[in-house]
This record gives sequence, structure tokens and C-alpha cells, in this order.
Amino acid sequence: GNSVTQMEGPVTLSEEAFLTINCTYTATGYPSLFWYVQYPGEGLQLLLKATKADDKGSNKGFEATYRKETTSFHLEKGSVQVSDSAVYFCALSGSNAGNMLTFGGGTRLMVKP
Amino acid sequence: EAGVAQSPRYKIIEKRQSVAFWCNPISGHATLYWYQQILGQGPKLLIQFQNNGVVDDSQLPKDRFSAERLKGVDSTLKIQPAKLEDSAVYLCASSPLGTALEAFFGQGTRLTVV
Repeated sequence: GNSVTQMEGPVTLSEEAFLTINCTYTATGYPSLFWYVQYPGEGLQLLLKATKADDKGSNKGFEATYRKETTSFHLEKGSVQVSDSAVYFCALSGSNAGNMLTFGGGTRLMVKP
Repeated sequence: EAGVAQSPRYKIIEKRQSVAFWCNPISGHATLYWYQQILGQGPKLLIQFQNNGVVDDSQLPKDRFSAERLKGVDSTLKIQPAKLEDSAVYLCASSPLGTALEAFFGQGTRLTVV
């Protein structure tokens, strides 16, 4: 079945540091890939997405590239801010099974001033 | 537009009691999902509706969990009887086209079973 593995947290960075959160997946067919973010006290929000190989999703300075050859979708940001502190979830939506989202375990990011 | 509404936000019950959660999806969204998020883990799909029909409930513990979506709009998720391991956040999400590409999540209901 489909699965998503992402690096465990917490990840603690200083403001303006470079961020990478690793995500790899296992899926049949050609899934779509997502990063969701959960800020403290709030619900899950879609951060970015990519629907096919070599697509790059981007939003709010975050980027992730769909790498089919390495089955990865790593999240990056060049300069993090305190306001980026949240839990980040990598997810995939398979090409079958009703397009349900399968999530990774989440990575907590803490950015210190 | 209004987002996905869930209630209650918090619920504390004793084991073996029953509990129900309510979800009102975004207007016009045909697909509705219920996810269970245990502390420190990613959300796990419990059930997916397309209008008022069930698309996937393979991970729903049917001996104690039930869900319905009457008239293809609001949905309720029930647990009866609750166990300690049911303590989690229950998330409702909806999407307009039956694809997760546009799934929008509610704030969730945090259930504590004591």
C-alpha cells in the first residue's frame, strides 16, 4: 500500500537559517504529492503540491520538487522565520482508492529568534 | 467562503461511554473525509464519503465506530463504546471534486478518553 516517511523532529533552527525536511514515499501508479502545515491551535492547511514528476510546488518561500527517481519530495526554505514554527506533514494522494490522502508522521519545526 | 466547521472542539469522556462529532463541509463539496490523528502521528483516514455514499471505510473500526452523511451535506462520526486508545484529534475535511488536490480541513475535535 501507499506510505510516506518523513524525518522525525523536532527540527530547531535559528531565524534566517536554511530548512530541509526530508520526505520519501512508496506508492503504486503516479501519486500527487503534498506538504501540509499545522500551526499551533489551527487545522491542517495545504502548503504546496505537485502532481507529476519534476514538478516544483512553491508557496510562502517554501519549495519541494517531485523526484520520481528517488521517490522523494523534500521541503526546503532558504530563510526561515519564527512564524514558520509549526508541524509539517508530507502526504500523497494515490491515483486510485478514491484519491484519499496518506500522511507521514509529521515534523515539528521550531524557529528561534 | 466559510471553512469546514466541526464541533465540539474538545470532549472528555470516560471509557465505555459514547460520543459523537459533527462536521459541516464547505458548501458544494461533494467529498467528505474523517481522519484520526493520534498525538505525535500523522492523520489516518477513517472514512471517505462521496455525496452520501461511502467510498472507503476500510480503516474504520466498525465494531465501535460509525459515520453517516445524511443528504450528502453534514456528517456525524460516532464512537460507542469508547476506549482509551481512541484519544486523538478527529479531523474532518472536504473537497469539491472527489480529489484530494483541493482538500480543506476543519480545526478538529480533540477527544480525551479517561
